[in-house]
Amino acid sequence: KAGVTQTPRYLIKTRGQQVTLSCSPISGHRSVSWYQQTPGQGLQFLFEYFSETQRNKGNFPGRFSGRQFSNSRSEMNVSTLELGDSALYLCASSFLAGPGETQYFGPGTRLLVL
Amino acid sequence: AQKVTQAQTEISVVEKEDVTLDCVYETRDTTYYLFWYKQPPSGELVFLIRRNSFDEQNEISGRYSWNFQKSTSSFNFTITASQVVDSAVYFCALSAPLYNFNKFYFGSGTKLNVKP
Repeated sequence: KAGVTQTPRYLIKTRGQQVTLSCSPISGHRSVSWYQQTPGQGLQFLFEYFSETQRNKGNFPGRFSGRQFSNSRSEMNVSTLELGDSALYLCASSFLAGPGETQYFGPGTRLLVL
Repeated sequence: AQKVTQAQTEISVVEKEDVTLDCVYETRDTTYYLFWYKQPPSGELVFLIRRNSFDEQNEISGRYSWNFQKSTSSFNFTITASQVVDSAVYFCALSAPLYNFNKFYFGSGTKLNVKP
């Protein structure tokens, strides 16, 4: 079974631009979560989607948004990029969204904002 | 509030040495789940183990073993006879779903360097 895939793997943008990252979960998984990883803040939760609904959201500004499609694929969007948005963005999927389900992570998208 | 502390920022060992990575967690929930993940330089987080709060049995998987102690709120990870391929950043994570569904709280990670 294929793992979680994320596209693109690398991205360079300039301040003020917007970016869309894509995540395809493991086949059959219906929950998708997004995390931001930076050297200073570590791994931080962005949001979680299940059945096209956002169930949980981390402490990030409204410039960060996401959505999930009926096939469970998910996208996250960052508008008006800032230098501090440079990070590794990781997507994770789980079968359902039950308590303590194991999340399986993709390889991430490395975003560099210049 | 939920919190995970990995006090060891970086550890260096020589191949074949045993090494223990510490993880201390905080939660007021009585039902919670603990995880360990490995992050090689490629960036992907690789799942290693999941443990729920009601199961305090230690677990061994090959060269890996985990010691869960609720009394000290710790979930430590030991690699026996370390190998160069074990070099990576290791993360401990907590999920306390009562109020946070499937949100994971990660520790800051421990970078393990295994030298030949």
